[in-house]
Amino acid sequence: NAGVTQTPKFQVLKTGQSMTLQCAQDMNHNSMYWYRQDPGMGLRLIYYSASEGTTDKGEVPNGYNVSRLNKREFSLRLESAAPSQTSVYFCASVDRRPSSGGMDEQYFGPGTRLTVT
Amino acid sequence: AQKITQTQPGMFVQEKEAVTLDCTYDTSDPSYGLFWYKQPSSGEMIFLIYQGSYDQQNATEGRYSLNFQKARKSANLVISASQLGDSAMYFCAMRERVAGGTSYGKLTFGQGTILTVHP
Repeated sequence: NAGVTQTPKFQVLKTGQSMTLQCAQDMNHNSMYWYRQDPGMGLRLIYYSASEGTTDKGEVPNGYNVSRLNKREFSLRLESAAPSQTSVYFCASVDRRPSSGGMDEQYFGPGTRLTVT
Repeated sequence: AQKITQTQPGMFVQEKEAVTLDCTYDTSDPSYGLFWYKQPSSGEMIFLIYQGSYDQQNATEGRYSLNFQKARKSANLVISASQLGDSAMYFCAMRERVAGGTSYGKLTFGQGTILTVHP
């Protein structure tokens, strides 16, 4: 049981290049999320997928697209990278436990450190 | 307006002492959840503790407890008997419902507090 995995761990892009960050979870969770973390700030939600086949914008979606490929996988794409997208990107998934009265513990991946020059 | 406010950019504590990390929140939703996460220098996000808005008692998990004061909209994290390994960034986060009555688990994070434990 690997939990939430993310690839790559590190990436350097030039302005204008594109790339896809990959995320997969093996916990059979329905909901998955992409966050970014900038220095001195907490995590901000980019996009989320409440269930397979659905995606919605979060707080900071501009410059990104997502794909919920199947229940396990949720990818984040930067079509034309900009220096403002230099950040650490976290993927997360949610375990809803009915017995806990609605507590949604989010399981986070290890993060991808992206630098755009 | 900030939904989650952590007013302490940095805190210092002596090993084996207790420390309180502050968190205030703003919501009009009567049903919400509050979380604390720890982020060590290695970067991973580690779930520590959860408090539901309808929970009658303060949450506890080992050395972590959450001082939940609903009327003041505060959810402070108390770490008892601090250890050197507690040195990390700590984030408070809130889950609210969106229109339609579900949250889909989305979290809003505060800016974090860096805790340093001195030997």
